[in-house]
Amino acid sequence: AQKVTQAQTEISVVEKEDVTLDCVYETRDTTYYLFWYKQPPSGELVFLIRRNSFDEQNEISGRYSWNFQKSTSSFNFTITASQVVDSAVYFCALSETGGFKTIFGAGTRLFVKA
Amino acid sequence: DGGITQSPKYLFRKEGQNVTLSCEQNLNHDAMYWYRQDPGQGLRLIYYSQIVNDFQKGDIAEGYSVSREKKESFPLTVTSAQKNPTAFYLCASSRYGQENEKLFFGSGTQLSVL
Repeated sequence: AQKVTQAQTEISVVEKEDVTLDCVYETRDTTYYLFWYKQPPSGELVFLIRRNSFDEQNEISGRYSWNFQKSTSSFNFTITASQVVDSAVYFCALSETGGFKTIFGAGTRLFVKA
Repeated sequence: DGGITQSPKYLFRKEGQNVTLSCEQNLNHDAMYWYRQDPGQGLRLIYYSQIVNDFQKGDIAEGYSVSREKKESFPLTVTSAQKNPTAFYLCASSRYGQENEKLFFGSGTQLSVL
C-alpha cells in the first residue's frame, strides 16, 4: 500500500533561516511520482515540483531545493533564506503507475517570523 | 484566466439537510476530483471523474454523491448520511487523470454544521 509520512507537524523559524521539510514515502511500485504542494492561508494548493522515480537528480529552483533519495524513500524539501511569504502548509504527495489518485501526507505547517 | 472556481467559500448545514458544493473549471481538463481536508490530516479522496458521465468512489465516499454531466462541472452533495461533514473541501482537476500529472486546485469550501 502507498503511504506518505510528514513527521513534522509544525515548524517555526525566523526569517532568513534555512528550513528542511521531511517526507518519507512507501510504495511497492518501481515507477511512481512524487510531488510537493504549497497551501497558503487562502486555501488553494499550489503545485511546486514533480519528480519521477527514475530521476534522482536533485533540483533547485531559486530558494527552493529538493533532495530525492530512493535508498531512504525520502523526498525532502529545503527553503533557503526563508521569508514570511513562505508561511504555509506544505504537502508531500505520491502517485503510482496506473493509479487514479494522489496520496497526500498530513502536511507540515511552516511559520516564518519576521 | 483559467482555473477552478469553488462556491460558496463558507457553507453551513443543518441536521438532516443535504448541501451541494459547486466546482467549475475552465482548463478543459478531463479529470476532476473532490478531496476532504481535516485539521492535521492530509487530503483524502472522496470521488473522482476521468470523463463526463462517469465517476468513481475514492477512499471516503460514504455520505457523499457527485455528478458529471458537463466536462467543466463536478458538484459534490454532502448528504444527511454524512455524520461528520465539518471539513474543508477541495476540488481539483488534471488534464487526463494520469499519475504523472500535477493537480490544479480550487480555493476550497469550508463546511460547518449548525
